Amino acid sequence: DAGVIQSPRHEVTEMGQEVTLRCKPISGHNSLFWYRQTMMRGLELLIYFNNNVPIDDSGMPEDRFSAKMPNASFSTLKIQPSEPRDSAVYFCASSPGTGNGNTEAFFGQGTRLTVV
Amino acid sequence: AQTVTQSQPEMSVQEAETVTLSCTYDTSESDYYLFWYKQPPSRQMILVIRQEAYKQQNATENRFSVNFQKAAKSFSLKISDSQLGDAAMYFCAYRSVRFFQGAQKLVFGQGTRLTINP
Repeated sequence: DAGVIQSPRHEVTEMGQEVTLRCKPISGHNSLFWYRQTMMRGLELLIYFNNNVPIDDSGMPEDRFSAKMPNASFSTLKIQPSEPRDSAVYFCASSPGTGNGNTEAFFGQGTRLTVV
Repeated sequence: AQTVTQSQPEMSVQEAETVTLSCTYDTSESDYYLFWYKQPPSRQMILVIRQEAYKQQNATENRFSVNFQKAAKSFSLKISDSQLGDAAMYFCAYRSVRFFQGAQKLVFGQGTRLTINP
């Protein structure tokens, strides 16, 4: 398996523009997580899905952020409009499921977003 | 809510020596999982080792081992025979065993930057 695939790896955009980050989880995994990493706040969960359904979006900073998972193999995180304070590394991770035997989260390589 | 604390922002060690990274956590749950993740300059988050709280035996993975003290809520990582490739940020993380809203997320510490001196 190729692992969790995120695109793009780097994104530079101007303030006010819409940004869409993409993620393809590992096949067969039914939990998907979006994390944001900044120097100030470290790694924080934005939202996670189980079986394509959003379970917890309490970490989504504000209405400018939205996430979708239209099917088991694809998810997007959208920021509209983007602001300089959104600059961060955004990680997608997937996990096999909720059973006690499968607890590991596998991370993609992240998208470094810079909003100027 | 669970919290994870890594009190050492930076650590350094001589190549081939042993280093221990500290992690403490706070939870009211009795069963949970603890992890150490490594993040090299490539940015990739790599699982180093995992510990189930119900297991008394400390987990080991080759040169990596943990000292899990459940009563003290401490979960330190020991790296033996340090190698240059071990240089990275190391994150301690907590995950509940329960399945309800928010429980499945990983809660991370702030990280420890480990430098290996040749």
